[in-house]
Amino acid sequence: NAGVTQTPKFQVLKTGQSMTLQCAQDMNHEYMSWYRQDPGMGLRLIHYSVGAGITDQGEVPNGYNVSRSTTEDFPLRLLSAAPSQTSVYFCASSYSGLQETQYFGPGTRLLVL
Amino acid sequence: QKEVEQDPGPLSVPEGAIVSLNCTYSNSAFQYFMWYRQYSRKGPELLMYTYSSGNKEDGRFTAQVDKSSKYISLFIRDSQPSDSATYLCAMRVGNGNNRLAFGKGNQVVVIP
Repeated sequence: NAGVTQTPKFQVLKTGQSMTLQCAQDMNHEYMSWYRQDPGMGLRLIHYSVGAGITDQGEVPNGYNVSRSTTEDFPLRLLSAAPSQTSVYFCASSYSGLQETQYFGPGTRLLVL
Repeated sequence: QKEVEQDPGPLSVPEGAIVSLNCTYSNSAFQYFMWYRQYSRKGPELLMYTYSSGNKEDGRFTAQVDKSSKYISLFIRDSQPSDSATYLCAMRVGNGNNRLAFGKGNQVVVIP
């Protein structure tokens, strides 16, 4: 089991560029989510999905898009990167989201210049 | 008032000391309480999980929940340098709500 994997590990973007952060899990978990972690702000939920084809917004969704076409994958798209999106992004998954442990990926460090 | 308050520290202790961490919260609907440990440049991993009020012990770790005071604690006994990490509290309501509310995290350094 690889668990939750994220690519890339590190990325530098220029303002206005777009990119997709990849997240995959091999645990057959229904629930997946994206968080950003900023100094002094803790972890904040961006988007989440309770199953293939179902996504919903979290606390800070603006500037990000998600889709969930398969159980395994949950990519996060930055449409037009801004310096305020400089952060560390974590993907997490759990079996159902209810009373279940969330497993986090290793994170993607994003720097937007 | 933020939903979950956690003093970010950092907290430095000598090896073998007891580490005491805590979070307060404002939402009385929270029922599930968790502590995550995050090593530098890694993702958080679940350390302790409790439901409602009470204590839970796992080896050197003890989690306490006092719902009447809206206060949760994590104690680490006989701290080791390998316990040096950031500890995040997290909590959520039940009834199908999947959202976790996190504290900012508390950095702990155990000095050999």
